[in-house]
Amino acid sequence: KQEVTQIPAALSVPEGENLVLNCSFTDSAIYNLQWFRQDPGKGLTSLLLIQSSQREQTSGRLNASLDKSSGRSTLYIAASQPGDSATYLCAVRPPRNTDKLIFGTGTRLQVFP
Amino acid sequence: EAQVTQNPRYLITVTGKKLTVTCSQNMNHEYMSWYRQDPGLGLRQIYYSMNVEVTDKGDVPEGYKVSRKEKRNFPLILESPSPNQTSLYFCASSPRGGQHTTLPYGYTFGSGTRLTVV
Repeated sequence: KQEVTQIPAALSVPEGENLVLNCSFTDSAIYNLQWFRQDPGKGLTSLLLIQSSQREQTSGRLNASLDKSSGRSTLYIAASQPGDSATYLCAVRPPRNTDKLIFGTGTRLQVFP
Repeated sequence: EAQVTQNPRYLITVTGKKLTVTCSQNMNHEYMSWYRQDPGLGLRQIYYSMNVEVTDKGDVPEGYKVSRKEKRNFPLILESPSPNQTSLYFCASSPRGGQHTTLPYGYTFGSGTRLTVV
C-alpha cells in the first residue's frame, strides 16, 4: 500500500532563506507527483506536476525534483517571502487505471519578516 | 477561467437531514473525485468518476453517494448525515490519465465545503 510522508511537519524561517521540503513515498511505481499549496481553511492550489519520466520541474522561485527509484521528491523554494506561508502538500498518482491521489500530511511553513 | 466550483462553501446541518454538495468544472475533464480532509488524517478520497455514468468507491465511501450524469457535474450526496461526517470537503478534476499536455496540468481542486453536522 502506497504511503506518502512529508518532513518536516512544520517549519519556521526568516524571510529570504532558501528552503527544501521533503516528500517520500513507499512504492516507486507512480504515474506522477504533484505539489500543492493550501492556505488556512482554503482549497488546494497546484504548484508543480512531475511526470514519472521527468526529474524536475520549475516554476518561478519553485523547483521540484523527483527521484523515483529512491521514492523521494523535494520542493525547493528560493528566497522565501512571508506570502509563501502556507501548508505544502505532495501527492502521488498510482500508475494503474484509476483516478486517485495519495497525499502526504503536509509541511506547514511560516516565513516571518 | 479554468476552475472547479463547489457550493455551498459553508454548511451547518442536523443529523439525518439529506444534503447535496454540488461540484462543477469547466475544463472538459474526464476525471472527477471527492476528498475529505480531517486533522491528523490528511486528505482521503471518497468517490471518483472516470467518465459519465461511471463512478467508483475511494477509500472512505461509507455514508456518501455520487452521480455523474453530465461530464461537468459531480454532486456529493449525504442521505443521512452524521456528526462523524463533519469535515472539509474538496472536489477535484483532471484530464484523463493525468495527461500533461492539457492545461491546467494534473488535478484542479475546488475551494472546499466546510460541513458541520450537529
